[in-house]
Amino acid sequence: EDKVVQSPLSLVVHEGDTVTLNCSYEVTNFRSLLWYKQEKKAPTFLFMLTSSGIEKKSGRLSSILDKKELFSILNITATQTGDSAVYLCAVYSGAGSYQLTFGKGTKLSVIP
Amino acid sequence: SAVISQKPSRDICQRGTSLTIQCQVDSQVTMMFWYRQQPGQSLTLIATANQGSEATYESGFVIDKFPISRPNLTFSTLTVSNMSPEDSSIYLCSVERTHGDTQYFGPGTRLTVL
Repeated sequence: EDKVVQSPLSLVVHEGDTVTLNCSYEVTNFRSLLWYKQEKKAPTFLFMLTSSGIEKKSGRLSSILDKKELFSILNITATQTGDSAVYLCAVYSGAGSYQLTFGKGTKLSVIP
Repeated sequence: SAVISQKPSRDICQRGTSLTIQCQVDSQVTMMFWYRQQPGQSLTLIATANQGSEATYESGFVIDKFPISRPNLTFSTLTVSNMSPEDSSIYLCSVERTHGDTQYFGPGTRLTVL
């Protein structure tokens, strides 16, 4: 059974701190890994990673994938209160018909 | 990306009744998906809705409980039938333009069953 594990499950930091969120996976026929930000109900797409070692960046957020060690990290620098959310990691995998498997998420709380 | 709307955004329903959730996309998409997110849990795929064919359900989900329609390439509905309090969840639709590409999510429907 495909598995995606995120750590930590929750995290509280002060504004301006840098955080690293972790995602490890064990899946059949890995295709890509996605990061989402979920603030209320709808997950908002952040990054899609398919190649090892290539960092994706968007403003203060960045992510990298290690396909050999089967994990990805999401970095947020100079955190702001607006970064408070649940961050979800999901992996596309499967033979034939690909399916997204989600981790349980990391709940990030940024306090002033 | 895609602009996706869902109706209703939230509802409170009585046990034993049914609710139909609508998902509308601003452009034609190949794949549409329905997910459930129970309180404190991550997203679980209910089914894949393909236009012109029966929906494909994941293990633990059946058509009698969650009938799905996909009449065209921009619209789908999910019905939660004979509801019980255990069905209280957020229900999300998502779309892919091509299979294996990024999935974009609708705003979700928060369902509470009393």
